[in-house]
Amino acid sequence: DGGITQSPKYLFRKEGQNVTLSCEQNLNHDAMYWYRQDPGQGLRLIYYSQIVNDFQKGDIAEGYSVSREKKESFPLTVTSAQKNPTAFYLCASSIDSTFQETQYFGPGTRLLVL
Amino acid sequence: AQKITQTQPGMFVQEKEAVTLDCTYDTSDQSYGLFWYKQPSSGEMIFLIYQGSYDEQNATEGRYSLNFQKARKSANLVISASQLGDSAMYFCAMRDRRGSGTYKYIFGTGTRLKVLA
Repeated sequence: DGGITQSPKYLFRKEGQNVTLSCEQNLNHDAMYWYRQDPGQGLRLIYYSQIVNDFQKGDIAEGYSVSREKKESFPLTVTSAQKNPTAFYLCASSIDSTFQETQYFGPGTRLLVL
Repeated sequence: AQKITQTQPGMFVQEKEAVTLDCTYDTSDQSYGLFWYKQPSSGEMIFLIYQGSYDEQNATEGRYSLNFQKARKSANLVISASQLGDSAMYFCAMRDRRGSGTYKYIFGTGTRLKVLA
């Protein structure tokens, strides 16, 4: 089955710790995205990648980093510089990044700070 | 500035009735896409329906239809024959260039729909 997987489903972070959220897709999509969702709010774009070895900052990139070494993988690292990381993180992909292309989402990762 | 507005934080509808979820948008681009997603309590975002800015007919997908009024910049979602499983958060989203560069999504704050038995 084609789709997007995210792991883990729940992640706990200690103060000052970096954590990495996994996102994998087997849809052969070129573009991938990371969003953050806070309670009662819509999604905000953290980073996106249109092609392998290239990525761009979104609206709230501070305190986060990404890599895109393989087409199917787009991991997100939440660094210690992100002071309020508790949120729901959603990864998405689309065939390309034109305006018609639909984004498809993974099941999400909930990050909690201990 | 590019913006998506969903003015209904919560809605109730009786099972088997139709319901309209409002969405207005603002963009200076001529080429843009409008999307609706459903987010059940599990958290996953499920794509429902798409409308392109150049599409002259309203999009339909099964029980979902999009009432696209370009001059008014509105893209309301209509769900016909509501089912209990339709209870969820619904997000309207727009994809445009924000004036230049890559096409990116912007999301509204969502409407929580509760279907009553």
